[in-house]
Amino acid sequence: LAKTTQPISMDSYEGQEVNITCSHNNIATNDYITWYQQFPSQGPRFIIQGYKTKVTNEVASLFIPADRKSSTLSLPRVSLSDTAVYYCLVGDMDTGRRALTFGSGTRLQVQP
Amino acid sequence: DADVTQTPRNRITKTGKRIMLECSQTKGHDRMYWYRQDPGLGLRLIYYSFDVKDINKGEISDGYSVSRQAQAKFSLSLESAIPNQTALYFCATSDSGFDTQYFGPGTRLTVL
Repeated sequence: LAKTTQPISMDSYEGQEVNITCSHNNIATNDYITWYQQFPSQGPRFIIQGYKTKVTNEVASLFIPADRKSSTLSLPRVSLSDTAVYYCLVGDMDTGRRALTFGSGTRLQVQP
Repeated sequence: DADVTQTPRNRITKTGKRIMLECSQTKGHDRMYWYRQDPGLGLRLIYYSFDVKDINKGEISDGYSVSRQAQAKFSLSLESAIPNQTALYFCATSDSGFDTQYFGPGTRLTVL
C-alpha cells in the first residue's frame, strides 16, 4: 500500500495560489491519486482525482509528474473558506480487497 | 435529505457501557466504512464492508465490532466503552472500486 507524505501545515493569504505537494514514492501502476478536503467537525469531501499529467475541475487542479512519485494540489486564489485540512490518498482503481487509509493531512490556514 | 446519515450525532456515556452507532445511506453503494478521528489527527479506519456478507477489519478494530444489516445500514458497536475511545466517528460509503467516498456528518462520542 503506497504511503503518502504531506506537509503538516501551510499558511497563506486570501487571493494567493496555494500548492500542496504529496509524496508517494511507492505508488503502483494501478494506483490513482485522490485529494479530500475536511472542515472542522465535518466529514472529508472529495476534491479531485487523477492518474497522470494534469486534471482540473471547478475547485482545484492536480499536477502529476511523469514518474508519479508525487502530486501537487493547486488551489487558485484561496479565500478564508478554504481553511481546512487536505488529505492526499493513493489507491488502486481495481476492485481490490482493501480500503484506503487517510493520513494526517495538511492543515491550510488562510489569513485575510 | 442527506445521503449518509449517522445517529446519534452526539453521545456521552460511561466507561463499561455498550454503545451502538448507526449509519444509513441512500446512495445505493455497496461499500461502507467506519472511521474515527481524534483531535488534530487524521482519520483512521476501524472496519469496512464491501457488501452485506463481506466485513473487514481496518487498522484499529480492537474494541469495536460492526454489523451490516442491509446494503444501506452499517452499525458500529463499542462492547465496553473506555475513555480513549472518545473521538469523532465517521461513516462513509463508496461504489465499487476506488471511487469517491461520501461521508456522514459524524458522531461525537465522549466516554467518561
